[in-house]
Amino acid sequence: LAKTTQPISMDSYEGQEVNITCSHNNIATNDYITWYQQFPSQGPRFIIQGYKTKVTNEVASLFIPADRKSSTLSLPRVSLSDTAVYYCLVLGGNTDKLIFGTGTRLQVFP
Amino acid sequence: DVKVTQSSRYLVKRTGEKVFLECVQDMDHENMFWYRQDPGLGLRLIYFSYDVKMKEKGDIPEGYSVSREKKERFSLILESASTNQTSMYLCASSLPDGYYGYTFGSGTRLTVV
Repeated sequence: LAKTTQPISMDSYEGQEVNITCSHNNIATNDYITWYQQFPSQGPRFIIQGYKTKVTNEVASLFIPADRKSSTLSLPRVSLSDTAVYYCLVLGGNTDKLIFGTGTRLQVFP
Repeated sequence: DVKVTQSSRYLVKRTGEKVFLECVQDMDHENMFWYRQDPGLGLRLIYFSYDVKMKEKGDIPEGYSVSREKKERFSLILESASTNQTSMYLCASSLPDGYYGYTFGSGTRLTVV
C-alpha cells in the first residue's frame, strides 16, 4: 500500500487560497489519488480524485506532477466552513480499501 | 441523494453485552466497510465486504464480527462489548474499485460502560 504523508495542521484566513500537499513516494502505476474532507462528528466526504495532471470540480482542484510522487489539493477562497480535516489517500491497483492516515487539520480564521 | 444510513447516532451499552451496529446503503454498492475512529489514531479499518456473504478482516478485527446477508446491509457485531471499544464507528460503501469515492454514514458513537 502506498503510504501518504501530509502536514498535521494548517491555518488560513477567510478568502485565501489553501494548498495542502501530500507525498506518496511509492505510488504504483495503477494507483490514483483521492482526497476526503471530514467535519467533527461526521463521516468523511469524498472531495476529488485524479490520476495525473490537474483535476477540478466545484469544490477543489487537484494538481499531480508527472512523477505522481506528490499531489496538491487546492481550495480556492476558503471560508470558515472549510475548517475540517483533509485526508489524502492512494487507491487502486491491488487495493481498493481506503487506509486513512491522520490527515491535515485545516483551521480557517475570520 | 445517495445514502449510507447507520441505525443509531448514539449508543450506550454495558460491558459484556452483545452489540449490533447496522448499516444500510441505497446505492447498490458491492463494497461495504466498517471503520472506527479514535482521537489521535484516525480511522482504522475493522472489516470489509466485497459481496453478499463475503467478509475480509481489516486492520483491527479482534473483538468484532460482521454479517452481510443482503447487498444493502452490513452489520458490525461486538460479541462481548468492552470499554476499549468505546469509539465512533463509521460505515462506508463503494463501487468495486472505489473509483467514484466512498460514501460514509454519519457514524455511531458507542459508549461502553
